[in-house]
Amino acid sequence: DSGVTQTPKHLITATGQRVTLRCSPRSGDLSVYWYQQSLDQGLQFLIQYYNGEERAKGNILERFSAQQFPDLHSELNLSSLELGDSALYFCASSLQAVSEAFFGQGTRLTVV
Amino acid sequence: AQSVAQPEDQVNVAEGNPLTVKCTYSVSGNPYLFWYVQYPNRGLQFLLKYITGDNLVKGSYGFEAEFNKSQTSFHLKKPSALVSDSALYFCAVRDMDSNYQLIWGAGTKLIIKP
Repeated sequence: DSGVTQTPKHLITATGQRVTLRCSPRSGDLSVYWYQQSLDQGLQFLIQYYNGEERAKGNILERFSAQQFPDLHSELNLSSLELGDSALYFCASSLQAVSEAFFGQGTRLTVV
Repeated sequence: AQSVAQPEDQVNVAEGNPLTVKCTYSVSGNPYLFWYVQYPNRGLQFLLKYITGDNLVKGSYGFEAEFNKSQTSFHLKKPSALVSDSALYFCAVRDMDSNYQLIWGAGTKLIIKP
């Protein structure tokens, strides 16, 4: 158990809908990262937060947004969903900027 | 630009044989290097890291990695492979020029045959 909790584990939704994925980082970790992993693909970095502030942005679509709350949990909002958004979405957290990141088990999103 | 390359999409090894999964990197300054393993339908698990010090780093599940500055490599190794080592392996490096963002390799699928 990495200590990073993601909910829900599975999500099936229709095209055009909006969903929210939730992440609770390891206790004490200030950085939260979101990644997308499509079938048999590598990791696509979406966005990073550090102590509530956006720190870095990757290939995140305009239909996607995220935030980190004062209690350090984070949410990833995906809207106007398309079939191609079906993927595993991972959250990770780290203590410091140079530390290793620990990953949650992921949310498997299926858009039908 | 900072980058990480895993030149092999797949590595096949017989059980009991030594295994090597290759990783090369390109960064400015000193590298902070990591290896992760991903089992099917699971999150990535941290295996080991190199920050500074001894070039041979030992990690979880009997894995180790050798940092080679002149060759800009950080290959993952294990003396004797197990079937249960079959998984997807990712190499990553911290990008010091971009808010310490993790730069990821494409991943290498390791298949250990009995």
